[in-house]
Amino acid sequence: AQSVAQPEDQVNVAEGNPLTVKCTYSVSGNPYLFWYVQYPNRGLQFLLKYITGDNLVKGSYGFEAEFNKSQTSFHLKKPSALVSDSALYFCAVRLKSYNNAGNMLTFGGGTRLMVKP
Amino acid sequence: DAGVTQSPTHLIKTRGQQVTLRCSPKSGHDTVSWYQQALGQGPQFIFQYYEEEERQRGNFPDRFSGHQFPNYSSELNVNALLLGDSALYLCASSLGGGTGYEQYFGPGTRLTVT
Repeated sequence: AQSVAQPEDQVNVAEGNPLTVKCTYSVSGNPYLFWYVQYPNRGLQFLLKYITGDNLVKGSYGFEAEFNKSQTSFHLKKPSALVSDSALYFCAVRLKSYNNAGNMLTFGGGTRLMVKP
Repeated sequence: DAGVTQSPTHLIKTRGQQVTLRCSPKSGHDTVSWYQQALGQGPQFIFQYYEEEERQRGNFPDRFSGHQFPNYSSELNVNALLLGDSALYLCASSLGGGTGYEQYFGPGTRLTVT
């Protein structure tokens, strides 16, 4: 079984300040990890992924995430927040697979990011 | 390059009715997954289709069924609708069955069951 926890329902940050959105995961094997963002009445938009290699992953719109295997975490970060970053953020995990057995994603409950001017 | 498209955008149905939702994958993608997102929650995996077969299924009852066509588009069918089926239904596409990496999501179909 695989699961994702996003411990904060909401994160508040002032524009220009750094932001962190937390994510921890549980999976029996090596994980692929993802961050998605959802704006009101929209689908999910892919931000970044960790597959293998460097633990610091850079993605769209200046976001990055750090994979920490010992802490089973994959926190999303941005050095300087923008008001337009305000949205709902989802962390997701799936198992590595080497065949066509499927690649279902398991999502966390989401964290609402509020960036105030 | 067209992204993932879904139809209809919104739908209102009555308890006990049946509904069909449609999805066209991103150009070049051959795998379609369906997710249910209840209000205030993260998406829950329903099932995934690859090569016109259901490859994986989440914890959803048999009332939820699907189909994939030779052009890779897909349908989600829900029978005997319950009030609890009210949600945003998201379609996602990817490449190569289980070997693909990220999934790309459509805008969703908002289903309201009254």
